[in-house]
Amino acid sequence: QKEVEQDPGPLSVPEGAIVSLNCTYSNSAFQYFMWYRQYSRKGPELLMYTYSSGNKEDGRFTAQVDKSSKYISLFIRDSQPSDSATYLCAMSGDSGYSTLTFGKGTMLLVSP
Amino acid sequence: KAGVTQTPRYLIKTRGQQVTLSCSPISGHRSVSWYQQTPGQGLQFLFEYFSETQRNKGNFPGRFSGRQFSNSRSEMNVSTLELGDSALYLCASSPTNRDNQPQHFGDGTRLSIL
Repeated sequence: QKEVEQDPGPLSVPEGAIVSLNCTYSNSAFQYFMWYRQYSRKGPELLMYTYSSGNKEDGRFTAQVDKSSKYISLFIRDSQPSDSATYLCAMSGDSGYSTLTFGKGTMLLVSP
Repeated sequence: KAGVTQTPRYLIKTRGQQVTLSCSPISGHRSVSWYQQTPGQGLQFLFEYFSETQRNKGNFPGRFSGRQFSNSRSEMNVSTLELGDSALYLCASSPTNRDNQPQHFGDGTRLSIL
């Protein structure tokens, strides 16, 4: 079992839809949870950064962490074609240092 | 504020050669981490440097090495290249190497081995 599991997709939705992206993990020591967006031929761009359990909202994006279930989610409201990208979840905190453990990413396609 | 800069963007090498990749972190960031991204394995941690010292290392062979200079710029070297080393190599920086600070990535160096 990999430490972080993420459905690779692709996930295809129409413009304006609410998108839900998820990751599960096995290491209960993870404390910091991130979502990155990666466009083709570009590096990962940090979208959301959360600590421990709870919700965090930033514009159209909401990140949720449920440490009891070892489950994290990213919700995108009013999705746009420009949101089409690969979304990577990442985690750290099991060592005290900034080493990130990534999911393999979910490809999202938003059609106009 | 300029982001993380990686050079070159693309590189083609043949088996057995060696290669050096460069990374300039965000100004003021002292920690630099390197990751390898492949379609099969996703993003995997290579190593992390802070204050010119390697602080943490992933599960990669000794052919992969790096260093950090006093201005926090970092280089990564791969010797005796193998076909399986074809990947996108990403550099990320953060203010320190503690886990309570997010990392910011560059656009990577695409390495192709022929």
